[in-house]
Amino acid sequence: QKEVEQNSGPLSVPEGAIASLNCTYSDRGSQSFFWYRQYSGKSPELIMSIYSNGDKEDGRFTAQLNKASQYVSLLIRDSQPSDSATYLCAVTTGYSTLTFGKGTMLLVSP
Amino acid sequence: DTAVSQTPKYLVTQMGNDKSIKCEQNLGHDTMYWYKQDSKKFLKIMFSYNNKELIINETVPNRFSPKSPDKAHLNLHINSLELGDSAVYFCASSSDRIEQYFGPGTRLTVT
Repeated sequence: QKEVEQNSGPLSVPEGAIASLNCTYSDRGSQSFFWYRQYSGKSPELIMSIYSNGDKEDGRFTAQLNKASQYVSLLIRDSQPSDSATYLCAVTTGYSTLTFGKGTMLLVSP
Repeated sequence: DTAVSQTPKYLVTQMGNDKSIKCEQNLGHDTMYWYKQDSKKFLKIMFSYNNKELIINETVPNRFSPKSPDKAHLNLHINSLELGDSAVYFCASSSDRIEQYFGPGTRLTVT
């Protein structure tokens, strides 16, 4: 069973702080890694993708990948109340197949 | 312009009925997907079509039948609905079979 694990949270951070979201995966053959943001009652929105080891930055978001440790993380700098959502880690686990974690709920307090 | 659209947004029906959900994408993508998100918010792939051909068919009851009339459309027909089918169904599409973009979802409630 190919799995993607995330802490369900909630992760609570004050406005302006750095939020750190973590994800581990079981399939060593996975090549592509994604973070989706899902607001309550809405659809998942792709916010970051990463394909090679290291860091990838996009605005306030930084994705980090360590394939040897089978670990992906998402850092959100200068967190805003509007960042409060569930963050889903997704990993390719086969031909065109994305396996999602159960998501981490992030709460940013003003 | 909506990239991936689904109809209807809400669907309330009784057990035993048959219903369909439609999905359309105007992104020019060649791969489309159906996902189910249950009450615990777990998102799981059901089907995937590439250029109208079925390429992923996860362990889903055969009461669920996808149909792709062309590469911009993927519909989901569900026969003999059961209480456990209540969930949010998301359509998604991708151009490279990697980055997937989701539609707004259809909330199905079976009573």
